[in-house]
Formats: sequence, C-alpha cells, structure tokens
Amino acid sequence: NAGVTQTPKFRILKIGQSMTLQCTQDMNHNYMYWYRQDPGMGLKLIYYSVGAGITDKGEVPNGYNVSRSTTEDFPLRLELAAPSQTSVYFCASRSLADKETQYFGPGTRLLVL
Amino acid sequence: AQSVTQLGSHVSVSEGALVLLRCNYSSSVPPYLFWYVQYPNQGLQLLLKYTTGATLVKGINGFEAEFKKSETSFHLTKPSAHMSDAAEYFCAVNDRGGYNKLIFGAGTRLAVHP
Repeated sequence: NAGVTQTPKFRILKIGQSMTLQCTQDMNHNYMYWYRQDPGMGLKLIYYSVGAGITDKGEVPNGYNVSRSTTEDFPLRLELAAPSQTSVYFCASRSLADKETQYFGPGTRLLVL
Repeated sequence: AQSVTQLGSHVSVSEGALVLLRCNYSSSVPPYLFWYVQYPNQGLQLLLKYTTGATLVKGINGFEAEFKKSETSFHLTKPSAHMSDAAEYFCAVNDRGGYNKLIFGAGTRLAVHP
C-alpha cells in the first residue's frame, strides 16, 4: 500500500491563478480530510468528506472547493489564488472501523506570489 | 468546543536527556488525545493515542504520554533523547463528533544536540 499520496510536492502560483491539489488513498478509507499548516500554527481543517459524493466545510473553507467522485480521490481546488493561501497542505484519511486514527500524506507546499 | 495548547514552540535537549513536551487541552466531552510527529519534509505520523482505559500510553520510538484529567494535560515524554527524535510534534484532540475531526495544537519543534 502506498497509503496517502499527494501531488504536486511543491508549486508556485501567481495571484489569481487556479490549481488543483491531488490526494489519493489506496486503503479504501471512507473519510478524507484536507488541512493547511501555516508557520507556527497547528493544522487547520479546510474540508472533509465522509464518502463519495459527500463533502462538508471545516474551519477555513473560504477560497477552496472540493469534490469526491470516488472513494480514492479527494482533490482540493483553488480558484483564485491569493497570498494568504501560501501554506503547506496535508490530506488525510481514516477508516470507518478506526475512528481515531488519521493517516496523512506527505503534503504539498504552495507559494502564491 | 475543543482546543489544544502546546507550551513551548521550541524545545532543545541534549542527546540522552529527558524529553518533555507539554500539551493541555480543553474539551466538553471525554477527550480522545493524540501525539503526531512530523519529520522534515514529511507528513504527520501517529506517535500514540489515548481513547479510554489506561492513562499511561506507550507509543513508537520509546515515547509515552500520560492523560491527566484533573490537569487537562497529555504531556509527551521520552527518557533518553536520540538525534533522530529531532522533529516537530503536534498534540491533537478529536472532537468526538460524527466525523471525528482533529483539532491541533501549534506544534513544538524539538532539537537534539550532541
């Protein structure tokens, strides 16, 4: 199992550009999460999903969109990039059976200039 | 609402010394508590977790944490630091809601020097 994979590892965007951060898990987990990590801060939840076709907002959803068409994939979309979205983005997943443990991907570092 | 406070954004210890990373939480329900470790340029890895039962929890790499309800604390310890322990450590609480969202502390960066 590869676990949770994220692409790209690093990206530079200009203000106003859009991009999609990819997240895939091969553990057949129902739950998936997107977090952002700002310097000196803990992770903040952006969006989460409890299964294909079901998504919901977290603490900091503004400026982002998600979709969940399959169990494996949970892409995060930035429509109009802003400098405030410069951050490291982590995707995580967990199973129905293990309610407590989330498995994290390696992260995507995004710089908006 | 749940929250997590980690005291000390940076901790430095000598190799072989005791590691103590502090975490206090606030929760309106019996908490599920976690410690995650993040090595440079990597994702978060679960070190240990407390849900119910024994309040002293042992994790990977020789780390352990004790849940103290009266102090609302979940401090992480390791008797003897190793150079490979240098990383960032995050304490988190599960909101125990339907989707089990994690609320993270700001993190503590541990440096280990020879």
